Amino acid sequence: GIQVEQSPPDLILQEGANSTLRCNFSDSVNNLQWFHQNPWGQLINLFYIPSGTKQNGRLSATTVATERYSLLYISSSQTTDSGVYFCAAEMNSNYQLIWGAGTKLIIKP
Amino acid sequence: DAGVTQSPTHLIKTRGQQVTLRCSPISGHKSVSWYQQVLGQGPQFIFQYYEKEERGRGNFPDRFSARQFPNYSSELNVNALLLGDSALYLCASSRRPPGTGDYEQYFGPGTRLTVT
Repeated sequence: GIQVEQSPPDLILQEGANSTLRCNFSDSVNNLQWFHQNPWGQLINLFYIPSGTKQNGRLSATTVATERYSLLYISSSQTTDSGVYFCAAEMNSNYQLIWGAGTKLIIKP
Repeated sequence: DAGVTQSPTHLIKTRGQQVTLRCSPISGHKSVSWYQQVLGQGPQFIFQYYEKEERGRGNFPDRFSARQFPNYSSELNVNALLLGDSALYLCASSRRPPGTGDYEQYFGPGTRLTVT
């Protein structure tokens, strides 16, 4: 079936470090979103990025649709970056939004 | 503009009872989706509505139902609650439905349902 896989599942870093989170998808997509879920459960939009590269402050994302993956870069990590990062892909085949299992990021001071 | 709002924030119900969760989308958004998120997992799609019509349904039993009103707000109903229905229920809104190239979703804070 259609799958969205995220790696790594867990990541522990010191404040100030950089990180790369990966999202692989098994089918062609209409769109791809990255979210950050804070400890209270709120899902916060990071990027809406079906293809190409976008940047927002210390965060940037790149989606290579032809190779079926997306990357989220976090530079100069802060403790407030901690939480779970999800990617969700809207598949061309059925327009359903399929979610990855998330990457749990812990930034230590 | 106000974001997506959901009510109530928390809810405790007993097995067998029924529950109604409410969602108001961002102004100008006509599409509402509902998700269930169990602790430690990603959100699971339940329903998607656009212009008051059901456009998508996930793999959930018939105990789950929803509707969208003329003002684009939405309700999710769950009947005959089971312990396994305990979860965070998330509502998301977007301007357009999936398949239109304008399906960027914005989420509310969620309703945390506990079934005892």
